[in-house]
Amino acid sequence: SQQGEEDPQALSIQEGENATMNCSYKTSINNLQWYRQNSGRGLVHLILIRSNEREKHSGRLRVTLDTSKKSSSLLITASRAADTASYFCATDARMDSSYKLIFGSGTRLLVRP
Amino acid sequence: GAVVSQHPSWVICKSGTSVKIECRSLDFQATTMFWYRQFPKQSLMLMATSNEGSKATYEQGVEKDKFLINHASLTLSTLTVTSAHPEDSSFYICSATVGQGPATNEKLFFGSGTQLSVL
Repeated sequence: SQQGEEDPQALSIQEGENATMNCSYKTSINNLQWYRQNSGRGLVHLILIRSNEREKHSGRLRVTLDTSKKSSSLLITASRAADTASYFCATDARMDSSYKLIFGSGTRLLVRP
Repeated sequence: GAVVSQHPSWVICKSGTSVKIECRSLDFQATTMFWYRQFPKQSLMLMATSNEGSKATYEQGVEKDKFLINHASLTLSTLTVTSAHPEDSSFYICSATVGQGPATNEKLFFGSGTQLSVL
């Protein structure tokens, strides 16, 4: 399976601290994306990093990508209680000219006020 | 923009009945829609990819006769769980992409999901 693994599975931090989540995947990719999911809801796209990029920022989010290690990290700085959610990385898979995203196992983040 | 609407949000049904879930792209044309299934505290598992006007492509292990997918228009895809059983209880989420080229089929827009409970 191409599904990636994320660690930690769960993370609990105090508001104001930084949260780092890691993602590893198995095959070559064109891009890697991070999504957020609030409990019982759909996913929201956070950021996309292409295979030729090493780092990308968006507000309090910082994503890194190391294609040699097939890994990525998501850093949320100055966390807020509202950041409490599950975070998933997703990698693209192209087979027979079709396109699909395969999601990692996810990290459940709890930010304590 | 790029809003995906999914209905219903919750459905409870008796074992043996069929349930239809709708996924609509409200402000864009979705050439491709994806259906995912998610168990509690687990990741999303891709069930099938549906392309407008053609048959859906199912992932390995997903029964196509059990999970009927129809993508009759560029704004609507439906998933029908036929003869539902308690083991089909799960959270089903649809998503859509915009465009057809490799540069555009990148970001997914998700519906809010449907929690199916089969008694």
